[in-house]
Amino acid sequence: AQKITQTQPGMFVQEKEAVTLDCTYDTSDPSYGLFWYKQPSSGEMIFLIYQGSYDQQNATEGRYSLNFQKARKSANLVISASQLGDSAMYFCAMREVDTGRRALTFGSGTRLQVQP
Amino acid sequence: GAVVSQHPSWVICKSGTSVKIECRSLDFQATTMFWYRQFPKKSLMLMATSNEGSKATYEQGVEKDKFLINHASLTLSTLTVTSAHPEDSSFYICSATRPGQGALQAKNIQYFGAGTRLSVL
Repeated sequence: AQKITQTQPGMFVQEKEAVTLDCTYDTSDPSYGLFWYKQPSSGEMIFLIYQGSYDQQNATEGRYSLNFQKARKSANLVISASQLGDSAMYFCAMREVDTGRRALTFGSGTRLQVQP
Repeated sequence: GAVVSQHPSWVICKSGTSVKIECRSLDFQATTMFWYRQFPKKSLMLMATSNEGSKATYEQGVEKDKFLINHASLTLSTLTVTSAHPEDSSFYICSATRPGQGALQAKNIQYFGAGTRLSVL
């Protein structure tokens, strides 16, 4: 089974509008972390935001917020006031603590295109 | 600024030659680094975990003799693609976890290098 599922291969959004990128995950580990990364066309992976499984509040970082619904096992990324520079691939990733696996498991990604 | 440096960013080589890619943590010591491979329009696939002072841990299906990993110091890991062939052409990207991010292991953030685009002719 897929550990991380991103069901939107591509998304379009108008500049200055908000957009939600979906991510669902599958784990039986009670302790885990969820991450979102941005990958522009240059290829570099840029860390955006983190949510821990025990965090009571949704994470926020500037224009990025994470809509964490633990019971549904979803961790959607919300980008507010989209900018042209937000056009990129976005990856959701997870680390499970009890497995001892320190590497991240990535979803298939969503390509976001911001239109002027 | 970047906390993980990867070099070279782009390399073209002839089939049969070996290519070395370097990954450096710039302002912290990384006992563990990770090597990923990414095909066009695909996700990142973990190839191996590089451990300072010991052997790398390879993912299932990754050829150890093909992709040699050396983590000789706390700030440097290298990936050598030996006897490269056109099917090895890909985007290779490394990452390292910055220590001290938090008490919970889950919170340790992985920082990535800029990646290396390998083309084997």
